Amino acid sequence: DVKVTQSSRYLVKRTGEKVFLECVQDMDHENMFWYRQDPGLGLRLIYFSYDVKMKEKGDIPEGYSVSREKKERFSLILESASTNQTSMYLCASSSPRGLAEPQHFGDGTRLSIL
Amino acid sequence: KQEVTQIPAALSVPEGENLVLNCSFTDSAIYNLQWFRQDPGKGLTSLLLIQSSQREQTSGRLNASLDKSSGRSTLYIAASQPGDSATYLCAVSKTGANNLFFGTGTRLTVIP
Repeated sequence: DVKVTQSSRYLVKRTGEKVFLECVQDMDHENMFWYRQDPGLGLRLIYFSYDVKMKEKGDIPEGYSVSREKKERFSLILESASTNQTSMYLCASSSPRGLAEPQHFGDGTRLSIL
Repeated sequence: KQEVTQIPAALSVPEGENLVLNCSFTDSAIYNLQWFRQDPGKGLTSLLLIQSSQREQTSGRLNASLDKSSGRSTLYIAASQPGDSATYLCAVSKTGANNLFFGTGTRLTVIP
């Protein structure tokens, strides 16, 4: 089974802090994704990466950056955290082979910015 | 821009009932459509994936259909059980890209 592990289930930080959210997958997947999930808005894509050191902006990249130094690890960085970044953050991975490859998700990190 | 809508937002049914969840999308140029399940405070679990060339997929008591031309998909759950209580999300991937566009989900409660 594919395992996507997010380093923290719950995280509390203060405004202005630099925050790192880590995600690791164990299936040698090329593609990795970061989403945020908010009530009434659903999941929205922040950034994705289709290879090491490659990244693409999603629908809401403002205030975020990412790092993919190794294939198995994809980090989301909040450069200067703000209260409107309080949310549930979900990481996912998938293989690009063919069309029948689902995305596999971690359990999420619930981030609160005070 | 692709928009995905799920109706109803919430649904309660008695145990044993068959039910249908609906998903519609505005842009028919999709690669595939996925149905996910999300339990409270948890991540998403992939249930079914339908490729754009397929009409339906089945897994156990679940059956998902896809009508690309009309921009609709349904998830049919047979003989519902309390353990089916969760939020069900549909998502579409657009042609040429890997990212998914999600609906806001249907929260299902199966009453024992």
